[in-house]
Amino acid sequence: GQQLNQSPQSMFIQEGEDVSMNCTSSSIFNTWLWYKQDPGEGPVLLIALYKAGELTSNGRLTAQFGITRKDSFLNISASIPSDVGIYFCAGRNYGGSQGNLIFGKGTKLSVKP
Amino acid sequence: NAGVTQTPKFQVLKTGQSMTLQCAQDMNHNSMYWYRQDPGMGLRLIYYSASEGTTDKGEVPNGYNVSRLNKREFSLRLESAAPSQTSVYFCASSETMGYTFGSGTRLTVV
Repeated sequence: GQQLNQSPQSMFIQEGEDVSMNCTSSSIFNTWLWYKQDPGEGPVLLIALYKAGELTSNGRLTAQFGITRKDSFLNISASIPSDVGIYFCAGRNYGGSQGNLIFGKGTKLSVKP
Repeated sequence: NAGVTQTPKFQVLKTGQSMTLQCAQDMNHNSMYWYRQDPGMGLRLIYYSASEGTTDKGEVPNGYNVSRLNKREFSLRLESAAPSQTSVYFCASSETMGYTFGSGTRLTVV
């Protein structure tokens, strides 16, 4: 089945640094989503991307839908301690039999004050 | 507006015991999902229900059954729990685009 490769698996950074993470797929997706999971909670949607090349921001977060439709990037600028958590990418291909979201394995972000 | 509500939040079972995880959503969504989350494995789809009255297997359905009781409720049942089913279980619902997740059930099977 379809798989997403999300990297890096984990990051340990200093407060104030910028963060970049990405997801790649062997298949084309029509939609890319980025979620954040706080400890002990369920994932929460951060950004949704619907068109190849689309660049969308949500505060200090910026995500891009890759031109090839096989990848997506998430950047966090000037990280703060509350950015700690696990970030998941997810892709959806409406041409598939289900149209369900496929999730990456997550990037665990730790921020040192 | 509660969104997606899961019960219980925590549960410890003995091997071989059965239990049902409950999920309810108040957003009038058609689709509902059950995922399990294990360290380093991300979110893996167990079962889903595209609409009331339908259910389908996901990536890891073995050892589980589901019931879409009505449009609001989607339950996950473990008939005979095994230690390999120790995990955090998330229910989600969606209408068109992104999923809304519950806060999870942390299940330990001893």
